[in-house]
Amino acid sequence: QQNVQQSPESLIVPEGARTSLNCTFSDSASQYFWWYRQHSGKAPKALMSIFSNGEKEEGRFTIHLNKASLHFSLHIRDSQPSDSALYLCAVHDTNAYKVIFGKGTHLHVLP
Amino acid sequence: DMKVTQMPRYLIKRMGENVLLECGQDMSHETMYWYRQDPGLGLQLIYISYDVDSNSEGDIPKGYRVSRKKREHFSLILDSAKTNQTSVYFCASSLRGREQYFGPGTRLTVL
Repeated sequence: QQNVQQSPESLIVPEGARTSLNCTFSDSASQYFWWYRQHSGKAPKALMSIFSNGEKEEGRFTIHLNKASLHFSLHIRDSQPSDSALYLCAVHDTNAYKVIFGKGTHLHVLP
Repeated sequence: DMKVTQMPRYLIKRMGENVLLECGQDMSHETMYWYRQDPGLGLQLIYISYDVDSNSEGDIPKGYRVSRKKREHFSLILDSAKTNQTSVYFCASSLRGREQYFGPGTRLTVL
């Protein structure tokens, strides 16, 4: 059974800061890795994905994946108050249908 | 327009009553999911449906059952609801390995 853990549980940063969120997983055969963002009272919404080792950048957001160390991360450059949300990492099981979510990191960006 | 809908949005039931939560999607996705989300526990998978009449238990199926008779509709049924089933329920749909599209959620309270 895939085990997905996120750290930290909660993070408070000032506006303009660089923020790093971490996710570890247990099955090195996993192929699909996602970050979702959930604003308070809303549904989770996919933010970014990565499918192979390395780095992927989209605007202020960057994902790093290192399958050998069973770790992937999300980095937010120039954090904005609108980035305040619950961030969920997700890893697809080896059959790619079942998705296992971490418990989330609550990010608060102070103006 | 890619959309997942859920009905009802809010529901209050008494312990022992039956509950029906409905979900629809307009993207012809084969795979649909039911999750519940509780504070500190993240998204927990209740059931996954691979297509019409092809359903599989998730991580917490006890006390729930599902029905999928059309590709675009997926129902979650609670027979004789219990107070510990008070939660926010999310439906999602996706293609294999791709992003999950979530509905707006149903907030269920069982008294």
